[in-house]
Amino acid sequence: TQLLEQSPQFLSIQEGENLTVYCNSSSVFSSLQWYRQEPGEGPVLLVTVVTGGEVKKLKRLTFQFGDARKDSSLHITAAQPGDTGLYLCAGEPYGQNFVFGPGTRLSVLP
Amino acid sequence: GAVVSQHPSRVICKSGTSVKIECRSLDFQATTMFWYRQFPKQSLMLMATSNEGSKATYEQGVEKDKFLINHASLTLSTLTVTSAHPEDSSFYICSASDRGRGTDTQYFGPGTRLTVL
Repeated sequence: TQLLEQSPQFLSIQEGENLTVYCNSSSVFSSLQWYRQEPGEGPVLLVTVVTGGEVKKLKRLTFQFGDARKDSSLHITAAQPGDTGLYLCAGEPYGQNFVFGPGTRLSVLP
Repeated sequence: GAVVSQHPSRVICKSGTSVKIECRSLDFQATTMFWYRQFPKQSLMLMATSNEGSKATYEQGVEKDKFLINHASLTLSTLTVTSAHPEDSSFYICSASDRGRGTDTQYFGPGTRLTVL
């Protein structure tokens, strides 16, 4: 059983469209991280969200942490081909080891 | 800040040989480092957690005698794949946690592509 679920698993969109990726769990997390990974490289940290209800913006990316600290979302506005990659949410549920979600593979077509 | 390096980035070896991969935290001290492996089009799978100065904690199903981990200093952990076989071919990624920043955020190295012939 996955502690972290992500949806959708795959997403292919045209340049300029908006999208949202979801990360859900039945467990409470002290914090959640979002990473982007490109083929043949390690994951690169995008953001850490710590406070329930927190919203963080990183240029065209908006991250939200659920009030109950069990879920998070990543919204990308006006997607660009450079946004293509594997998006991973991850975190440490209380009393358990750090876990990764299965990832959302995003493809932005020019 | 929070840069993690890995060496080598790619390695090709013959079946039966051993391969050592280094993971270094360049600008912070990492009391804990993690080793993952990733198969094509899949997410990361934690292999072991490495604490400086103590034995590594291995995840279920990971052979500790095959994947030797040494965390001798606060900036260096090594993973040695002993008697490698083709099924060990994978992308190995390390990460380091900087607890001094007050979160459990992990910072990842660029990965090592291991191919066993």
